[in-house]
Amino acid sequence: QKEVEQNSGPLSVPEGAIASLNCTYSDRGSQSFFWYRQYSGKSPELIMFIYSNGDKEDGRFTAQLNKASQYVSLLIRDSQPSDSATYLCAVPLDRGSTLGRLYFGRGTQLTVWP
Amino acid sequence: GAGVSQSPSNKVTEKGKDVELRCDPISGHTALYWYRQSLGQGLEFLIYFQGNSAPDKSGLPSDRFSAERTGGSVSTLTIQRTQQEDSAVYLCASSHRVGPQETQYFGPGTRLLVL
Repeated sequence: QKEVEQNSGPLSVPEGAIASLNCTYSDRGSQSFFWYRQYSGKSPELIMFIYSNGDKEDGRFTAQLNKASQYVSLLIRDSQPSDSATYLCAVPLDRGSTLGRLYFGRGTQLTVWP
Repeated sequence: GAGVSQSPSNKVTEKGKDVELRCDPISGHTALYWYRQSLGQGLEFLIYFQGNSAPDKSGLPSDRFSAERTGGSVSTLTIQRTQQEDSAVYLCASSHRVGPQETQYFGPGTRLLVL
């Protein structure tokens, strides 16, 4: 059974700070990792995905993957109140796959205060 | 363009009744997924359709749950003899694949409450 662990939070940061969200996974065969954002009462939306070790940047968001240590993180620079949401980490259920059904962590609740 | 749509947005039913939840995927997306999200729980995979292949039903929690996808497009998730523990938000996602990459887009969900 795949496991994805996230600190449920809540994580609270001031506006303009860097928010760091972490996710660890148990299956060394996992090949791809997804970060979704879910506003309260809304459906998840994809923010970023990462396949390779290292960093991947997209605007204010950076995903970091360390396969040796089996963790993936999401950094949000210059955090804004509109970033306040629950952030979900997900991996494909099928070992070694980058596709298909996803296993989601329980999410980290982020609050950015003005 | 239009995203994934689901109906109804909310459904209240009595224990023991059957319910049908509908999902309209994004046009052209070949893969369609059903997940559910219970209070305090993570998103849980239920069933997956890919093109004309047999669906992957490995996530269905019991034989009271079934789903079909007609014409490779619209999907219906049916829950028979609903139980209170079936109360959750049922989310549908569709996706397109480009090589080894896939992006799943979620619909707004159907919030089911079983009394």
